[in-house]
Amino acid sequence: SAVISQKPSRDICQRGTSLTIQCQVDSQVTMMFWYRQQPGQSLTLIATANQGSEATYESGFVIDKFPISRPNLTFSTLTVSNMSPEDSSIYLCSFSLGTGAYEQYFGPGTRLTVT
Amino acid sequence: ILNVEQSPQSLHVQEGDSTNFTCSFPSSNFYALHWYRWETAKSPEALFVMTLNGDEKKKGRISATLNTKEGYSYLYIKGSQPEDSATYLCAFINHDYKLSFGAGTTVTVRA
Repeated sequence: SAVISQKPSRDICQRGTSLTIQCQVDSQVTMMFWYRQQPGQSLTLIATANQGSEATYESGFVIDKFPISRPNLTFSTLTVSNMSPEDSSIYLCSFSLGTGAYEQYFGPGTRLTVT
Repeated sequence: ILNVEQSPQSLHVQEGDSTNFTCSFPSSNFYALHWYRWETAKSPEALFVMTLNGDEKKKGRISATLNTKEGYSYLYIKGSQPEDSATYLCAFINHDYKLSFGAGTTVTVRA
């Protein structure tokens, strides 16, 4: 099965700054996703990263705050912009081989702390 | 965001003992349920994908059951080992293919 990696694995950032998280899959995949898990909360889908077009954001998430790029079928980035302490979370990228009954394959996550 | 609840939030189990915990989800508009295991500093990995009412799936010492009519799934760990220590997540998928995760059950197996 495909291997998915993320970097950085963790970071501590100051409020007001931005961080870009990279996600690399070692084979071409159609569907890539970005999730966030805030402390004590459920894993929540931020957006679906679409190759060659704008990402599709879930309710409560906007492009200005979480711009996403998907330049090809193996790579995506998520930027967390103008960070505040509330953005401290684990950010995960994932891919799926299809919809619904297809499992998600997750990256190892980026642990972000905003001070 | 759909209401997917997992209980308990955490549990401690002695090595060799068996345990189980639940995931409850909306009983309407069900398409599939996923179970994932998330070990610290690792990627969440899929354990089971369940789609049919009455489904029972097994992988080694871990098994899961599904009741879509009443909206719950049980995950069982038989003869717990330290390597079973992880957070177990369930995800409900509706007919729009939207995944809604529970907050997880964190299992700690004491040697």
